[in-house]
Amino acid sequence: KQEVTQIPAALSVPEGENLVLNCSFTDSAIYNLQWFRQDPGKGLTSLLLIQSSQREQTSGRLNASLDKSSGRSTLYIAASQPGDSATYLCAVTLFGNEKLTFGTGTRLTIIP
Amino acid sequence: SAVISQKPSRDICQRGTSLTIQCQVDSQVTMMFWYRQQPGQSLTLIATANQGSEATYESGFVIDKFPISRPNLTFSTLTVSNMSPEDSSIYLCSVGPSGRGNEQFFGPGTRLTVL
Repeated sequence: KQEVTQIPAALSVPEGENLVLNCSFTDSAIYNLQWFRQDPGKGLTSLLLIQSSQREQTSGRLNASLDKSSGRSTLYIAASQPGDSATYLCAVTLFGNEKLTFGTGTRLTIIP
Repeated sequence: SAVISQKPSRDICQRGTSLTIQCQVDSQVTMMFWYRQQPGQSLTLIATANQGSEATYESGFVIDKFPISRPNLTFSTLTVSNMSPEDSSIYLCSVGPSGRGNEQFFGPGTRLTVL
């Protein structure tokens, strides 16, 4: 059974700093990995999707990397801003199954 | 990306009643899913809503408690039946795959409180 873990559970950093969020998964036979952000009481916003054949994806200040063999992904946020404060979730799908298995989430707070 | 709406956005319900949540997508999609997010927890898949056939439920979720309809490729409903306070959660629908490598998109969620 696929298990997805995110460490740390919570993170506070001063505005302007670069930061890294971590995601690990137990079954490396993934089809893709997706990063989401969730604002309090809201739905999920898709940030980046990495296919199993890719090593990284970039969108603006965000960069996500994938190392399938070690079962890890990182989300790098450059020059953090207070608007980046949210919960960040990673989720994976396996081949032949569109079901998303979610990580436990990292609650990020950017301190002005 | 698909634009997804959900109704209602939130509700407060009495124990023993039922609530039907609607999910509408602005384009035809192959897959629609329903997730539950209990307070302080991550998301758990309830079921896959199949167009024209019965939904496929995950372990721990049953049709009598969470009946699902999917009459066409743009619309689905989830009913939470005979509610108890333990059903207080955010319920989210998602759609996929998109043309971009099975990326999935989520609706804004329905926040349910059961008294």
